[in-house]
Amino acid sequence: NAGVMQNPRHLVRRRGQEARLRCSPMKGHSHVYWYRQLPEEGLKFMVYLQKENIIDESGMPKERFSAEFPKEGPSILRIQQVVRGDSAAYFCASSHYMGQTQETQYFGPGTRLLVL
Amino acid sequence: GQQLNQSPQSMFIQEGEDVSMNCTSSSIFNTWLWYKQDPGEGPVLLIALYKAGELTSNGRLTAQFGITRKDSFLNISASIPSDVGIYFCAGTSTQGGSEKLVFGKGTKLTVNP
Repeated sequence: NAGVMQNPRHLVRRRGQEARLRCSPMKGHSHVYWYRQLPEEGLKFMVYLQKENIIDESGMPKERFSAEFPKEGPSILRIQQVVRGDSAAYFCASSHYMGQTQETQYFGPGTRLLVL
Repeated sequence: GQQLNQSPQSMFIQEGEDVSMNCTSSSIFNTWLWYKQDPGEGPVLLIALYKAGELTSNGRLTAQFGITRKDSFLNISASIPSDVGIYFCAGTSTQGGSEKLVFGKGTKLTVNP
């Protein structure tokens, strides 16, 4: 019973490069969420996706950040032209929606992004 | 935006002591969740609460969903060294169907053997 998988676990980028973070949800889960965590802080919501659809991107910065969850394959969080302020832990969570009641979100181990 | 106020920010206790932490909000949440995060890892779900007034236990952990839907507490009884970590409360509210979680800032627990 594999949980939520994220890779890479650690990612180092220089300013101006692109960062691609991957998330494979738990088996049977069709909903994916991305959160960002700064040191000594709680997690902050970024984006909520279902297969091939962005449902809520109210927490995503307007520029340089994008997310997708294709029909096949993992969800990708993409950060273009990274800056030092993008350094953080990025967590993916997945859930299985059941009608009116949504099951709980289960989190992956995170990707720690360091921008030099 | 919605915020969760979590307290205390940190706790230092002796092994065997009981622990209590809580979260409050100025807005209503439909679900309250408590997670634990170990260093370098993602949050792990401890307890989920779905109904106002609900009291739920998971081993030595007990959590309650406040009647007003604006607060929740987590108790840990007879703490042990492996309880060390950061505990987060989180809540969801219906906003156009999105079930994004709003997190508190966490309670850092240290247990002295």
